[in-house]
Amino acid sequence: AQTVTQSQPEMSVQEAETVTLSCTYDTSESDYYLFWYKQPPSRQMILVIRQEAYKQQNATENRFSVNFQKAAKSFSLKISDSQLGDAAMYFCAYRTDLGLKSYQLTFGKGTKLSVIP
Amino acid sequence: DSGVTQTPKHLITATGQRVTLRCSPRSGDLSVYWYQQSLDQGLQFLIQYYNGEERAKGNILERFSAQQFPDLHSELNLSSLELGDSALYFCASSVDRGSSYEQYFGPGTRLTVT
Repeated sequence: AQTVTQSQPEMSVQEAETVTLSCTYDTSESDYYLFWYKQPPSRQMILVIRQEAYKQQNATENRFSVNFQKAAKSFSLKISDSQLGDAAMYFCAYRTDLGLKSYQLTFGKGTKLSVIP
Repeated sequence: DSGVTQTPKHLITATGQRVTLRCSPRSGDLSVYWYQQSLDQGLQFLIQYYNGEERAKGNILERFSAQQFPDLHSELNLSSLELGDSALYFCASSVDRGSSYEQYFGPGTRLTVT
C-alpha cells in the first residue's frame, strides 16, 4: 500500500517570505498523481496544486509551486511571498489507481503552517 | 466554494444511533468519495462510487454503508454509533475522465457522538 509521509508537523514563516513543505511517498507504480491540499481553520479542504508523475515539469499555480523528484519519491510544496491567509494545515496526497475507474487518495498527516506578521 | 454540498453541517447524536450524511457532487462529476477525518486517524478514505456503482473501498467499518443514487448524489449511513465515530466526514467529487481527476471536497459534516 502506498504511504505518504510529511515529516514536519509544524512550520512557521514570516509574511512575504518563502517556505517549503516536505512530502515523501512510497510506491511501486510508475504513473500516478500527487496533490497538495490546504485546510484552513474553516476545515474546508482546498486543492492547491496537482502533479502528474509522467510530467517532468514541476507544477506551478501562482505563488505555489512544487519540487517533484520522482526518483527520490519526493514532492515538496513551495509557497512564495507568504500571506496571512496561507496559514493552514497542508496535506500531501497520493492518488492510487485501482483500475476500472477505482481510485483513492492517501493523505499524509499534515503540516501546520503559521504565518508571522 | 467547491460546488460540492454536504448536509447537515453538524450532527449530534447518541451512542447506538444511526445517522445519514448526504452529499451532492459538482455538476458533471461522476465519482463521489467519502473520507473520515479524526484527530487520531487523520484523513482516511472510506469508499468511492462511480456513476452509481461502488468502485473502491478503504477503511470503512461494517457498520457504515453508502450508496450513490441515479441523480449522482450520495449518502453515507453510519449505524450503531460509537464515541470513536465522532469525526469530520468529507465528501469529494471528481470527473475521473480524461485529464480531469482532481477531487473537490465539500465543507464536511461534523459528527459528534455522545
